[in-house]
Amino acid sequence: DVKVTQSSRYLVKRTGEKVFLECVQDMDHENMFWYRQDPGLGLRLIYFSYDVKMKEKGDIPEGYSVSREKKERFSLILESASTNQTSMYLCASSSLVDRVNTEAFFGQGTRLTVV
Amino acid sequence: QKEVEQNSGPLSVPEGAIASLNCTYSDRVSQSFFWYRQYSGKSPELIMSIYSNGDKEDGRFTAQLNKASQYVSLLIRDSQPSDSATYLCAVNRDDKIIFGKGTRLHILP
Repeated sequence: DVKVTQSSRYLVKRTGEKVFLECVQDMDHENMFWYRQDPGLGLRLIYFSYDVKMKEKGDIPEGYSVSREKKERFSLILESASTNQTSMYLCASSSLVDRVNTEAFFGQGTRLTVV
Repeated sequence: QKEVEQNSGPLSVPEGAIASLNCTYSDRVSQSFFWYRQYSGKSPELIMSIYSNGDKEDGRFTAQLNKASQYVSLLIRDSQPSDSATYLCAVNRDDKIIFGKGTRLHILP
């Protein structure tokens, strides 16, 4: 079974703090994704990565950065947390077949509250 | 036009009936399509993927894809109360996987 593990289930941080969300997958997937999910807005893509040290902006990258130093690990960084970044953060991974994404598998999610 | 559109619902279906969930997408070159189920407070879990036109069946679930009309649907036969959840449609586009906002399904006992 595919396993995607996020480092924290719940996190409370203060405004202005630098926040790291970690994600690890064990299926040797090429692609990894970070989404945030908010009521009424659905799942929105923040960043994704299709290879080590590669990253691509999603639809809402502002205020975030990412790091992928190893294939299995993809980190989301909030450089200076703000209250509007309070959300559920979901990491996912998928494999590529002929450059087409196959199904993505999700971690358990991190509910981040910025106070 | 939104990239992936779904009716937000709620869609109420009697237990034992067929639930029909629909999704349209805007990018004609999309090649892979997915349905996920999400219970409140949980992360999405994959139900089915579909890559070519036609129907794909897996147990009580059938996914239907029509690339010419740019829609994908999910049928749930013999609906159970445990099927009550939000169903997310997702589409591959330019190495990304883009999600609709989901349809809330409520199975009436």
